[in-house]
This record gives sequence, structure tokens and C-alpha cells, in this order.
Amino acid sequence: GAVVSQHPSRVICKSGTSVKIECRSLDFQATTMFWYRQFPKQSLMLMATSNEGSKATYEQGVEKDKFLINHASLTLSTLTVTSAHPEDSSFYICSARELALYNEQFFGPGTRLTVL
Amino acid sequence: DAKTTQPTSMDCAEGRAANLPCNHSTISGNEYVYWYRQIHSQGPQYIIHGLKNNETNEMASLIITEDRKSSTLILPHATLRDTAVYYCIVRGNTGANSKLTFGKGITLSVRP
Repeated sequence: GAVVSQHPSRVICKSGTSVKIECRSLDFQATTMFWYRQFPKQSLMLMATSNEGSKATYEQGVEKDKFLINHASLTLSTLTVTSAHPEDSSFYICSARELALYNEQFFGPGTRLTVL
Repeated sequence: DAKTTQPTSMDCAEGRAANLPCNHSTISGNEYVYWYRQIHSQGPQYIIHGLKNNETNEMASLIITEDRKSSTLILPHATLRDTAVYYCIVRGNTGANSKLTFGKGITLSVRP
């Protein structure tokens, strides 16, 4: 299957700082990318959907000014958690879908964010 | 609203077949059944998907009932590395219906 990478794999930051997470599709062009968040012992919750060159569409209850998503190219999307607080500590997972393989969606390995 | 219901957990012996059930009684005619799994602290891994015919690949088989209201994922020879949370997801092809919405999944424990 296609490969999606994330960087960093884990990050620890101080409260009030901003953190950027990168998501790359390594061997295909991702026309659509998704960002999920997963708290301990819970399922994945979709945060937002982004199409290359367009503004992201956020799910209800997700603050777009706090979670900035940029999908500037067909192989890269970034999620920036602005003014992070301890309650933002979570496992963030990106996912990518290629237009030619519309029925398949591939996931990255996840980024563990800890806000102190 | 995940549109599917799965048992919370099950276990099976290594080397035996693992049959994971899923109910999706409100599935629409153009919606697919997808299965993903998530090993602890990793991203979900695609397993298989189907519309109405049974499907098989190198990982698993998917059996969908004729009325499409339920399905079963079969891991023919479970190994310890198959221990994971398995998610059964119903997904359409267009618009908001095309998003993958994860429920709680079923935790499969493969015992030696």
C-alpha cells in the first residue's frame, strides 16, 4: 500500500507554545488529507479534511484558529497546534487519499504530542 | 455516528482463524464496508473493503451477507502480531459520506 509519513513522531512542548506536525505522502499524490486526534483508550476523532490548494473543512467543535492546517502541495500537509495547552496532549494522526485510488485511504504512524 | 456495531473484544488462539463480526443494518446501497486495524500506538492499517461481494486479499477475507446488514472479517491463521483493535467502517463515495468515521472497534487478543 501507499506510504504516509509524519514528523515528528513525538514532541514535548511547553504550554503556550506552538507545534507544527508534518504529514507527507511518499509515493503518491494526496488530493485529500485528513487529520485525526486520538486520546488514550479512545477511538480516532476526525478533526478536519483538507484538499490541496483549498482551505480545510473542520469538524464541529474543532477550533480552526487553534489547529491550523495547510495543504499547500499534493504531498505535504501540516497541522499547527497554536498556543498549546495540556489538554491538547494527544496522538495526532494524518491520513491521505489519492484521487486515482479513491476508495483507499492511508494513515501515517501518528505523532504523540505532550504539552507540559 | 459510526453506523456500525461491533463486540467490545474477543480472543482466539494463535494459528486459528479469527472471525470478527460487524453489524451495519442502516448501510446504504452505495456505501462500502471497510476494515482497518490499529496496533497499539500506531496509525491505522488498511485491511480490506467491499461493497457486496466477498473479498479476499493477502491479509484477510471479508464476508458480506446478502442483505449487506452485517459482515465478518476473517483472519485465516491468526498470529500474535494480529493483536490489535479492528475497526469496521461504513463509507460512501461522495461528500461528507466519504469520510472514515471510526467507532470503538473490537479488541482482538491472540493468545499463544
